[in-house]
Amino acid sequence: GAVVSQHPSWVICKSGTSVKIECRSLDFQATTMFWYRQFPKQSLMLMATSNEGSKATYEQGVEKDKFLINHASLTLSTLTVTSAHPEDSSFYICSAMAPFTNEQFFGPGTRLTVL
Amino acid sequence: QKEVEQDPGPLSVPEGAIVSLNCTYSNSAFQYFMWYRQYSRKGPELLMYTYSSGNKEDGRFTAQVDKSSKYISLFIRDSQPSDSATYLCAMSAIGGNQFYFGTGTSLTVIP
Repeated sequence: GAVVSQHPSWVICKSGTSVKIECRSLDFQATTMFWYRQFPKQSLMLMATSNEGSKATYEQGVEKDKFLINHASLTLSTLTVTSAHPEDSSFYICSAMAPFTNEQFFGPGTRLTVL
Repeated sequence: QKEVEQDPGPLSVPEGAIVSLNCTYSNSAFQYFMWYRQYSRKGPELLMYTYSSGNKEDGRFTAQVDKSSKYISLFIRDSQPSDSATYLCAMSAIGGNQFYFGTGTSLTVIP
């Protein structure tokens, strides 16, 4: 299957700082990428859909000013958690949709801990 | 009613057993059906991908889609302890980039 990478795999930061998470599709071009959040023992919660060259579409209840998404190229999308607070601590997972097949491949996830 | 329903389990089986995991859905427009396996603290891994109705087999895994009943299944034969994970079903419509996930079923295979 296709490979999607995420960086960093884990990050610890102080409250009030901003954290950037990168998502890359390594062997295919992805016009659409997705960002999810997952709490322990719970399912994936879609935060936003990221389309290359256009603004991201955010799900209801997700603050677009807090979770900034940029999809500047066909292989890279970034999620920036601005002014992070302890309640933002979570497992963030990105995925990329393969062209033509509708298959969705996930990255390994980024564990964010805000102190 | 949720778009996709999946029993969260947990499900415990002895090693070597046949495991059946299921999801039901309500949207008849869904045409793409996927099963993902997620180990603890890891991203989901695509296991099976099927289009429309029918069966698809890959090693010990068989995915089955019954569109008339809006019901999909994943069978795991000769289950192994390494199969212990959470299994998520997902589906989408043709031309759509919105995916609908089940809540995941937690499986433990006991040696």
